[in-house]
Amino acid sequence: AQRVTQPEKLLSVFKGAPVELKCNYSYSGSPELFWYVQYSRQRLQLLLRHISRESIKGFTADLNKGETSFHLKKPFAQEEDSAMYYCALSGIRGSTLGRLYFGRGTQLTVWP
Amino acid sequence: GAGVSQSPRYKVAKRGQDVALRCDPISGHVSLFWYQQALGQGPEFLTYFQNEAQLDKSGLPSDRFFAERPEGSVSTLKIQRTQQEDSAVYLCASSLAYQGNYGTDTQYFGPGTRLTVL
Repeated sequence: AQRVTQPEKLLSVFKGAPVELKCNYSYSGSPELFWYVQYSRQRLQLLLRHISRESIKGFTADLNKGETSFHLKKPFAQEEDSAMYYCALSGIRGSTLGRLYFGRGTQLTVWP
Repeated sequence: GAGVSQSPRYKVAKRGQDVALRCDPISGHVSLFWYQQALGQGPEFLTYFQNEAQLDKSGLPSDRFFAERPEGSVSTLKIQRTQQEDSAVYLCASSLAYQGNYGTDTQYFGPGTRLTVL
């Protein structure tokens, strides 16, 4: 069965501090991993996906298949990073193709 | 350009009433998804359309839930005889491509419809 776990419901850091949002997954196969973000009063939007291997708004995430993790990191947090972050996975073939499985989300607050 | 739109944004229903939630995807998007997001949880998959064909409805929680997309664009999610446990935000998402050609295509989400069943 597929599962996405985000162990922290709330995470607070001060501006300029490093931040890491944890995500672990279980999936019988090779999944595709994503981070979605929802800013206050805005809709859910894609932040980054592991196959792109790019940095978006200073955030990076590396897929670690050995640890089945896809943690989101940023070296210097900014106040505008405050938002709800969701880790998600999708199967790349079979019956789960296209459908996203989400974690419960982590609310990040960056204090000035 | 216009993104995914959903209506109504808020719906209050008495237990036992039927409700219909509408989703207008981005023009030209082939794939359309419905998700249900309960309070404090992440979105959970309900159903998936490719054009007008409903290819996956395995996430619909009961036979009270029904979705359609008759002309391959606008979609409606209908809930019959609503129950309190149906209270949630219902999210619609669309993506441009057929799923599978190049992995999972980026899904663009609507603002959601918040359903409250009293």
